[in-house]
Formats: sequence, C-alpha cells, structure tokens
Amino acid sequence: KNQVEQSPQSLIILEGKNCTLQCNYTVSPFSNLRWYKQDTGRGPVSLTIMTFSENTKSNGRYTATLDADTKQSSLHITASQLSDSASYICVVSAMSNYQLIWGAGTKLIIKP
Amino acid sequence: EAGVAQSPRYKIIEKRQSVAFWCNPISGHATLYWYQQILGQGPKLLIQFQNNGVVDDSQLPKDRFSAERLKGVDSTLKIQPAKLEDSAVYLCASSLGDQPQHFGDGTRLSIL
Repeated sequence: KNQVEQSPQSLIILEGKNCTLQCNYTVSPFSNLRWYKQDTGRGPVSLTIMTFSENTKSNGRYTATLDADTKQSSLHITASQLSDSASYICVVSAMSNYQLIWGAGTKLIIKP
Repeated sequence: EAGVAQSPRYKIIEKRQSVAFWCNPISGHATLYWYQQILGQGPKLLIQFQNNGVVDDSQLPKDRFSAERLKGVDSTLKIQPAKLEDSAVYLCASSLGDQPQHFGDGTRLSIL
C-alpha cells in the first residue's frame, strides 16, 4: 500500500536554531517528492519538488534531500525564523497514475 | 498572478443541512482539485477535474458529495445532507501540466 509517514509529529525549537524534518515513503513506482508549507488557516504552498535523479534541492533557508534507494527524504531549515512556524507536509507522486500520496505533516513551532 | 479563490471562508451548518463551496482556479490551469483536510491530517483528495471532465473521484462519498466544473473553469462542491464527520477544511487547488498545485485558503466547515 502506498504510504507516506512523517516524523516528528510536532517540533518546538528556538528562533535561530536549525531543524530537520523526516519523510519515509513506500510509494512505488516513484515519480517525484514534494514538500509543502502550510501556515495556520491557509492553503499549502510548494517549497520544493524532486525527481528520482535529484538528491538535493534548496529554496532559500530550506534544503530538501532525497534518497530514492532507502525511500527517505528530509527537509532541513537553517537559522529558523518565527515565520517558519507552520505544518510541513511531504507529498509523493506515484508514476503509475500520478496520484499524490500526502503525509500527515509535521507541525513546527518556533519560539522567540 | 491572482491565486486560487475560494468562498465562503467559513460556514457553520446543522447536520442534515446542505452546503456548497465555490472555487475559481488560476486562469489557464486545466486541472482542478478538491481536498478535504481534517484537523491534524494531510489533505485527502476528493475529486480531480481535467478541464470539465472527472479524472479521479474514487474517494468522493458520492451518496452525499457532488462536484461540477462547468465550462472547465469555476467549480462547486456540494454536501447534502451533511454529517458531523464532514467538519473539516475544504481546499481547492489548480495546476498547469505537471507543475505543483496552487491552493486556495480553503473553506472551514463546522457541523453542529
């Protein structure tokens, strides 16, 4: 069964610190993996998208990595800011039908 | 570029009543999606349109939910009759080709 699991479920860090969010998937055959940021009360916004051949992609202070062999991805946030407080959702696309499999997200809280 | 517009932002109804949501996608985006997002979970796809044709409605509870996309632009999602478990945020998204989806800010539905 195609699944996407994220950890931790929630995370609290101090402003200025770095953090890493994890995503494990069992989707096969794999097409691409996306990370979305969802602020409270807003729709998700795309941060990065990676295909099989890409193992790292950056978007400002956000860096996503992909290990297609172990079916793992991570999202690293550098020098966190209060505005980074949000839910971060990992989404994997299956090549067979391009269906998007959504994770439950990691709720990140940045404290001053 | 204008984003995906959704209305209303909030809706409170009693169980067994009916409700309708409206979505106006980004101009030129052929693909339109409706998602249901329950608190603490990732979005769950209800229905996907390509222009005005349905691509995937496998997770749409067809006994109570219906959706249409007239003329391949705006779309409406209806629930009739509503149940308590329908309390959620209903997100609309649109995309062009295989580009990431752009989301609206959703309609928060509360069933009393």
